[in-house]
Amino acid sequence: NAGVMQNPRHLVRRRGQEARLRCSPMKGHSHVYWYRQLPEEGLKFMVYLQKENIIDESGMPKERFSAEFPKEGPSILRIQQVVRGDSAAYFCASSPPGRPYGFYGYTFGSGTRLTVV
Amino acid sequence: KNEVEQSPQNLTAQEGEFITINCSYSVGISALHWLQQHPGGGIVSLFMLSSGKKKHGRLIATINIQEKHSSLHITASHPRDSAVYICAPNFGNEKLTFGTGTRLTIIP
Repeated sequence: NAGVMQNPRHLVRRRGQEARLRCSPMKGHSHVYWYRQLPEEGLKFMVYLQKENIIDESGMPKERFSAEFPKEGPSILRIQQVVRGDSAAYFCASSPPGRPYGFYGYTFGSGTRLTVV
Repeated sequence: KNEVEQSPQNLTAQEGEFITINCSYSVGISALHWLQQHPGGGIVSLFMLSSGKKKHGRLIATINIQEKHSSLHITASHPRDSAVYICAPNFGNEKLTFGTGTRLTIIP
């Protein structure tokens, strides 16, 4: 039973390029969350999604960032026109159906480390 | 305001020592998570607590809802326990708020 799968593990982008980060939730999980960890800082909530729905995107920067969780396939976090300040580790987590935000447990992915050069 | 504080920020101990990491939070919560993060690695969920105490191997987590305080204990610590330990309460809006973490180093 595979856990939360994130890819790529490491991603290098030049300033102005687009970054696409993928997350496949754990089998049977219906809630997906994205978190960002800036260097030497704690984890910060970005967005919470269910299939085909963005439930809470209050932590997403207003511009250049978007997220989706389509009916088929992984959840995607997309960053357009990346800047150096976007360099961070991006973690995805998933939780079972029912009460959200990990009340019935969280499983985290290994993260994608984005470096903008 | 939803706030969480961890102490200590850094902790170095000898192998075999009993370790305690503390977490205090400002307002009522529905649950609290303890997470482990190895350098450059992923995040592992260790415990989710809403009351009392949980034990898994050498790890013990306790929570006192009235005092708004949780502790993570490690018995017979080992160098492989070296990691950052993060406390994350579910506040009223149920989103996780993450502490800044405790960096634990166990010396052989």
